[in-house]
Amino acid sequence: DADVTQTPRNRITKTGKRIMLECSQTKGHDRMYWYRQDPGLGLRLIYYSFDVKDINKGEISDGYSVSRQAQAKFSLSLESAIPNQTALYFCATSDLTSGRAGNNEQFFGPGTRLTVL
Amino acid sequence: GQNIDQPTEMTATEGAIVQINCTYQTSGFNGLFWYQQHAGEAPTFLSYNVLDGLEEKGRFSSFLSRSKGYSYLLLKELQMKDSASYLCAVTDSNYQLIWGAGTKLIIKP
Repeated sequence: DADVTQTPRNRITKTGKRIMLECSQTKGHDRMYWYRQDPGLGLRLIYYSFDVKDINKGEISDGYSVSRQAQAKFSLSLESAIPNQTALYFCATSDLTSGRAGNNEQFFGPGTRLTVL
Repeated sequence: GQNIDQPTEMTATEGAIVQINCTYQTSGFNGLFWYQQHAGEAPTFLSYNVLDGLEEKGRFSSFLSRSKGYSYLLLKELQMKDSASYLCAVTDSNYQLIWGAGTKLIIKP
């Protein structure tokens, strides 16, 4: 079944380490997104991409970088992790003709729980 | 700036009805989504409104008033499994989704 997957699902790391989170999708969607979610703050957009090699900053891009080398893959990197980057990270995909809404409905991966000590 | 407001937390009783409100101020409007999110899980699509009025889908209904910048999600015949967070999100003029912080719904027996 068409899906959005994220690896790893859980990660514990130390301050200063480089971390990469991977997202893959089989939906054939052009648009991909990375969000972080903290308790009480809802979803905040980190980066998004509308096509291969297209990269756009979101609300909270500082301390993060992304790569979109293929339509199906969108990776998020933390070059030097810090404790306030501890959060739940979600990847999402969409297409302007996707979903029941036919208008940019976003489909989410299962999330990656990242803890930075 | 862009802003979406919804209550932080609500409590309701199993079998009852609850209404979760959402007000928004965004640069443009191209539709409003409601998503459900169980703790630690991914958000999942519930409903979409782009025109004024009520959309009914089983036990869940969603209402939109574009002139008032207002929507609500109505949940009927509440079940324990409806305990979750409900996220309101608006598509702005650039087709970006602007997310509310979510409403945590607690269902009591």
